[in-house]
Amino acid sequence: DGGITQSPKYLFRKEGQNVTLSCEQNLNHDAMYWYRQDPGQGLRLIYYSQIVNDFQKGDIAEGYSVSREKKESFPLTVTSAQKNPTAFYLCASSIPGDGINEQFFGPGTRLTVL
Amino acid sequence: DQQVKQNSPSLSVQEGRISILNCDYTNSMFDYFLWYKKYPAEGPTFLISISSIKDKNEDGRFTVFLNKSAKHLSLHIVPSQPGDSAVYFCAASDRGSTLGRLYFGRGTQLTVWP
Repeated sequence: DGGITQSPKYLFRKEGQNVTLSCEQNLNHDAMYWYRQDPGQGLRLIYYSQIVNDFQKGDIAEGYSVSREKKESFPLTVTSAQKNPTAFYLCASSIPGDGINEQFFGPGTRLTVL
Repeated sequence: DQQVKQNSPSLSVQEGRISILNCDYTNSMFDYFLWYKKYPAEGPTFLISISSIKDKNEDGRFTVFLNKSAKHLSLHIVPSQPGDSAVYFCAASDRGSTLGRLYFGRGTQLTVWP
């Protein structure tokens, strides 16, 4: 079955530690995205990548970093510089330029920083 | 500045009645609109979409209406069912852009009660 996997489902970290969230897709999509969801804030774009070895900052990139070394993988690192890291993180992928821009989402990772 | 707005954070409807969820946008370059449905602790799933060349699109109980002059779209669910209780996100894209971004509203929590 094709899809997007995010692991783990729940993640706990101590304040001041960096943490990396995993996102893998086998849909053969070129574009991948990271969003953050907070109550009442909707989905806010952190980073996105249109192609391997290239990525762009979204609307709230401060305190986050990404890499795109493989088409299937787009890990997100939440650094200690992120002031409010506790949130629900969603990864998505799409076929850019297909005329629709529909994005397919993973199940999400709930990060709690203690 | 939010380019897609869902001004009602919540909506409560009795089972069997119509649910109407509203969405406004500001960017006149947007030409494709999508609705996503999201359950707690899960990723959003695509529900229905509409191109700017249409003013209506139906899929079973779900109908999306687009008023380009007012930069407004709405999602109608008829009849509403308890399983429809979820957060609904409106999203917009500019298909002429190569970036493939979706711009999301903050969501509307729909509750359908028996």
